This record gives sequence, C-alpha cells and structure tokens, in this order.
Amino acid sequence: SYVLTQPSSLSVAPGQTAKITCGGKNIGSQSVHWYQQKAGQAPVLVVYEDSDRPSGIPERFSGSNTGDPATLTISRVDAGDEADYFCQVWDDGTDHWVFGGGTKLTVL
Amino acid sequence: QVQLVQSGAEVKRPGASVKISCKASGYHFTSYYIHWVRQAPGQGFDWMAILNPNGGITRYTHKFQGRVTMTRDTSTGTVDMEVSSLRSDDTAVYYCARSRSSSSSPFDAWGQGTLVTVSS
Repeated sequence: SYVLTQPSSLSVAPGQTAKITCGGKNIGSQSVHWYQQKAGQAPVLVVYEDSDRPSGIPERFSGSNTGDPATLTISRVDAGDEADYFCQVWDDGTDHWVFGGGTKLTVL
Repeated sequence: QVQLVQSGAEVKRPGASVKISCKASGYHFTSYYIHWVRQAPGQGFDWMAILNPNGGITRYTHKFQGRVTMTRDTSTGTVDMEVSSLRSDDTAVYYCARSRSSSSSPFDAWGQGTLVTVSS
C-alpha cells in the first residue's frame, strides 16, 4: 500500500517560516491535500490539490508538489499555528485514501 | 454554514457494537460523499469507509469490511456508522467528513469527532 512519510516534529520561532514535508513514491504525480489539527479539535483543510487554499485560510499557508517531497509552507509563523499537520492523497493502486503520520509543529 | 454534527462519546465492552451518527446541515445532503475516519490515541488517521448519500452505495476498506456498516437517512440528512465486534484497539476518535467526489477531492468539512472507548 502507498505510504506517506512526514517528520514527526518541527520547531520554529515566531515570525520564521515552517516547511513541513510529505514524502511518497512518485508523489509529484499525486494531488496532495493538507490538514491542520489543533489539540482536541477536528482537522481543518488548509491546502488542497497541492497548492490551492480554501476560502478563509490565510495566504501565509502555501503548498508545493514538484516532486518528492511535497511541502506545506507556513510563513510568519505565530503561536496560533501550533498544531499537527497531516498530508493526504488518494492511492489509485488500492482505491484508498492515505494519510501521512502527521507533523507536530511547535512554535518556540 | 456547513456543519457535520456527531453523536456523543461512547464506552463499550469488548465484543459489543457501537453506532455513531453524523448529521449534516448547511448544504445539499446528496451532493457530497460522507467518509468515516478514525484516529487512535496519539496516532494518525485511518480511512474506514465511504457512503454516497445519492443512492446509499457504500464501500469499506478491507481492514473494516464485515465489521462496519454505514447507512443514511436522506429525510434528516444523517449518516450512521455501526462498528461491531469491538476490540480494545478500536478505541479511537471517529470522525465523519465530506468530499465532493469519492476520490481526489479533499475533505472540506469534518464532524467534531466521537470518542469510542472499548474497555472491560
């Protein structure tokens, strides 16, 4: 089955840029979605189809997928961005949705 | 606004069954697929099943095939999921979520989650 690999944690100082990666075989040919999950809350979609933002998501959140890995970039990080971030793709081989293991972003 | 509201927390014994509901509002119920995803404590997400409210067709992942049943009521905009033969490793938060299509479209709205605890 398809596996998505994310670093388990990332620490960034306020005002800096966080880059969260999501690796997988031929991921550049996949459409990657990203979710933010704050402690005790349901996930929220922050980037879809590699680089599009849903309405209401700040421009500070951006995505790219030009090859392994796909990346979620959060510019000018603040304390409110502290959360777990998960990537997701549709695996055509198994007709299953697959999620990465998640990256815990800590704002120092 | 779009809302998916789930039923409350459950505590079950091993071997029992649990039914969780997900009530949709704020959009046309039959225009979006409904998924169930679970998250065990401290773990990532495990996609379980999908239902097309337009017709009620379901699909379950191999891992949950035979133990999970999804149904819908178009008159109330509700999707239920029943998990049978519960085990301790079924302890998790269960989420419903919607997507525009069965594949490729993201989950653009999620329920608040339902904690199911399986313990003797």
